[in-house]
Amino acid sequence: DTGVSQNPRHKITKRGQNVTFRCDPISEHNRLYWYRQTLGQGPEFLTYFQNEAQLEKSRLLSDRFSAERPKGSFSTLEIQRTEQGDSAMYLCASSLRENEQFFGPGTRLTVL
Amino acid sequence: GENVEQHPSTLSVQEGDSAVIKCTYSDSASNYFPWYKQELGKRPQLIIDIRSNVGEKKDQRIAVTLNKTAKHFSLHITETQPEDSAVYFCAAPSSYIPTFGRGTSLIVHP
Repeated sequence: DTGVSQNPRHKITKRGQNVTFRCDPISEHNRLYWYRQTLGQGPEFLTYFQNEAQLEKSRLLSDRFSAERPKGSFSTLEIQRTEQGDSAMYLCASSLRENEQFFGPGTRLTVL
Repeated sequence: GENVEQHPSTLSVQEGDSAVIKCTYSDSASNYFPWYKQELGKRPQLIIDIRSNVGEKKDQRIAVTLNKTAKHFSLHITETQPEDSAVYFCAAPSSYIPTFGRGTSLIVHP
C-alpha cells in the first residue's frame, strides 16, 4: 500500500497519560497535515508541515500538543496529560501539490 | 480565517434521483475547492475538486459548480446509487490551510 499510513489505529489511554501517534505520508509528498475529527464534524485543522518545517499551528493545539517531522518524512503527534476531551479521530494527510490532500486511515483515541 | 457553511446536514433520496450539496465560504482569496466522501469508519477520500479559474467540472455522475462572485460551490450527484451513501465534506482553503464544512450525510434508498 503506497498511501498514507498511521499507527496505531486505535489507542485507549487513561486520563493524564501521554500518547504519541505516527504518520507516514506518501513518499514524494513534502506537505503533511494533522487534523482532529469528532463524530458528526468535519476534520479540524491542527498543524501543517512543509518538509521538516512546521508552518502553521491552530489555536486548537494547546501546549499539551506537539508535533514533529524531523527529517521531512514521517511525523509524530504527541499529546501530554491527556483529557477526556481529547478523545477523537486524529487524521493525517499529505500532499505534493498545493491543496490536494490524501488522508490516512486515522488513529482513534479514547481517553478514559 | 475561513468560514465554510455546508447544507443540508442530511439528505435522503431514492435510488436514481439527483443529489445536490452546497457550500458557502468567506475568504475571497480561496482558489481551490475539493469535495471528500467519507464512508463509515473510513478515511475521507477526494472525489472531485475545482479551481477558481473554471466554473464547472464533471466526472461521470459527479459534478462540481463554482460561483466565485457569490462565494459558493456545489456538488451534484446524478443517478444516485446505494453505494453513494456516505458523509460528504466540502473544504475551502485560507492561506493554504483547508477549512472543512460540517458534512452532509447522504442516504440513498434502494
